[in-house]
Amino acid sequence: EPEVTQTPSHQVTQMGQEVILRCVPISNHLYFYWYRQILGQKVEFLVSFYNNEISEKSEIFDDQFSVERPDGSNFTLKIRSTKLEDSAMYFCASNWAGTGNEKLFFGSGTQLSVL
Amino acid sequence: DAKTTQPPSMDCAEGRAANLPCNHSTISGNEYVYWYRQIHSQGPQYIIHGLKNNETNEMASLIITEDRKSSTLILPHATLRDTAVYYCIGAGSGNTGKLIFGQGTTLQVKP
Repeated sequence: EPEVTQTPSHQVTQMGQEVILRCVPISNHLYFYWYRQILGQKVEFLVSFYNNEISEKSEIFDDQFSVERPDGSNFTLKIRSTKLEDSAMYFCASNWAGTGNEKLFFGSGTQLSVL
Repeated sequence: DAKTTQPPSMDCAEGRAANLPCNHSTISGNEYVYWYRQIHSQGPQYIIHGLKNNETNEMASLIITEDRKSSTLILPHATLRDTAVYYCIGAGSGNTGKLIFGQGTTLQVKP
């Protein structure tokens, strides 16, 4: 089965630094998502992206966060000035139609540790 | 999105069927019931989804009650590799792929 790939698998950064998490969605998918999971907590929706625009975002996704599809294959999440509370596992996901009758394919995640 | 209620944990003997319940009494008529699982902090993995009818695939079966207020995910022959957190999610009101995860059920398959 096709896979969503995420790099790096682990990222350690200092508080206040910028980080970019990278994802390669499945090639024919059009809708892209970021979720995060703080250790021991629920998986939380951050943002959905379609046609080079954010289509929906959660309250977590504030001005410190941005997403981009810089080329035809990558989808990135940038955190401009990291905080300790940004430490979490970040999951990228994608699907083709973005509707409710379609499963999401998730990547294996990037563990972000902010020191 | 519909709020779902699941037991926090369940045990199952290896080789036996695992039946995971979910209540979704507030689900609306156009919302699908999805099941995902997460094995040890890996990315969530899709299992199955349905609207009204029962569904079966190579991984599991989904039984949805006629009133759509509850459902049961059935893993017919659980293995140790099925130990995971299982999430029941109502989704699809409107055209969106956004999922709202709850705490899920931690299924422990024991030898």
